[in-house]
Amino acid sequence: DMKVTQMPRYLIKRMGENVLLECGQDMSHETMYWYRQDPGLGLQLIYISYDVDSNSEGDIPKGYRVSRKKREHFSLILDSAKTNQTSVYFCASSWDRGTLEQYFGPGTRLTVL
Amino acid sequence: AQKVTQTQTSISVMEKTTVTMDCVYETQDSSYFLFWYKQTASGEIVFLIRQDSYKKENATVGHYSLNFQKPKSSIGLIITATQIEDSAVYFCAMREGSNYNVLYFGSGTKLTVEP
Repeated sequence: DMKVTQMPRYLIKRMGENVLLECGQDMSHETMYWYRQDPGLGLQLIYISYDVDSNSEGDIPKGYRVSRKKREHFSLILDSAKTNQTSVYFCASSWDRGTLEQYFGPGTRLTVL
Repeated sequence: AQKVTQTQTSISVMEKTTVTMDCVYETQDSSYFLFWYKQTASGEIVFLIRQDSYKKENATVGHYSLNFQKPKSSIGLIITATQIEDSAVYFCAMREGSNYNVLYFGSGTKLTVEP
């Protein structure tokens, strides 16, 4: 059963604190993604990773950075979190950049106070 | 400008009926791919069905089918014989052939299926 996992599922941080969101997949997918979802806006792409240490900015990368040291693991980092980064964050993966369907994780609800 | 637009914010239908959710898209590419995803109340996002722009036949998977009207840049999702568990938010999305990196999502339509 194909699976994308995210940790933690819920997180509350204070403004200025650092945040680390973790994503894992057990399908050996090459490509992984980070999105954020805000009410009424659907999903917005933050970063894409095509493989280990091969990352590319999406539509809204400002304030975020990523790390991918192993194919099965992709991290999203917020250095000095801001209140406007309160959102639900989704990780997704696909076989490679040419594969059309993406498989999504369960999401992480981040609140920045 | 929004590349994928879903104008219906919410729809309510009775169980066992058919519902159509609308989606229009904007692209200059001759090759593109259209998707529908379902987000359940728990937040889980699941891929449902896909339409490739070069295919004339409407895609069908189970009780989901698409109404692809290329001249109108429209891709409607049709759910037949709706069930209570079809209640969810449905997202339309597009990937352009010239930019495989990005999947553009619409803002979603919340479907409620009443018993």
